Amino acid sequence: EAGVAQSPRYKIIEKRQSVAFWCNPISGHATLYWYQQILGQGPKLLIQFQNNGVVDDSQLPKDRFSAERLKGVDSTLKIQPAKLEDSAVYLCASSFSENTEAFFGQGTRLTVV
Amino acid sequence: SQQGEEDPQALSIQEGENATMNCSYKTSINNLQWYRQNSGRGLVHLILIRSNEREKHSGRLRVTLDTSKKSSSLLITASRAADTASYFCATVIGADGLTFGKGTHLIIQP
Repeated sequence: EAGVAQSPRYKIIEKRQSVAFWCNPISGHATLYWYQQILGQGPKLLIQFQNNGVVDDSQLPKDRFSAERLKGVDSTLKIQPAKLEDSAVYLCASSFSENTEAFFGQGTRLTVV
Repeated sequence: SQQGEEDPQALSIQEGENATMNCSYKTSINNLQWYRQNSGRGLVHLILIRSNEREKHSGRLRVTLDTSKKSSSLLITASRAADTASYFCATVIGADGLTFGKGTHLIIQP
C-alpha cells in the first residue's frame, strides 16, 4: 500500500514570496490533515478536510495561508506572502476517518530567509 | 491549542531498561493515540486506545488510559537504541482532528 506522498521535500524561499505544498493521501482515506511543526515542538493542526469539505481550520492563519482539496483526493497548502516565522516542517496526514489512526508523509521542510 | 501534554519533556535511560511516558489532557476524548518521530522523519502511529478501553498492548509497547484522571501512559519495555525518538500523544475530540502535545524526547544510552 502506497503511503502519503508529499512534495517538495525541501524548499527555501525569501520572505514575502509565495510557496505551495502538495499532498497525495492514501487511496480511500476520507480525512486529510495539514500540520505545521516548528523545530522542537509538536505538530500544530492547520486544517482538516473530510472528503473535500473543511472540518476544522481554526488555527490556519487565513490572511496568508490557504488550502484546498480538489475532488476529495489531493490537497495543496499555499502560503502567500511567507514570513520568517513560517519556517517549519509542513506535514500532511490522512486517515480512513476522523477516529482512526493517521498516516503521515515525510513532510516538506520550508526555510524562509 | 494543544490538548495533550507529555511528561517528562526528556528522558534518558540505559538500553534494556523500561521507559515510561505520560500524557495528560483536558477534555473528554473519543480516543488517544501515541506516535513516534525519529529525527528528521515523519510521524509513525504506535497505538490507538479508545475512551472505553483501559489498556492495550503492541509488542514491547503498553498503553494505559485513565479517563477519570484524564491521563495516559506509554510503557516501552526492554528498550533498544532504535527506540531513541520523540514520542507524542494525540487526542481526538468529537469530529475534531488529531491534536498533539509537545512530546517526550527519549534517548536510549548503549
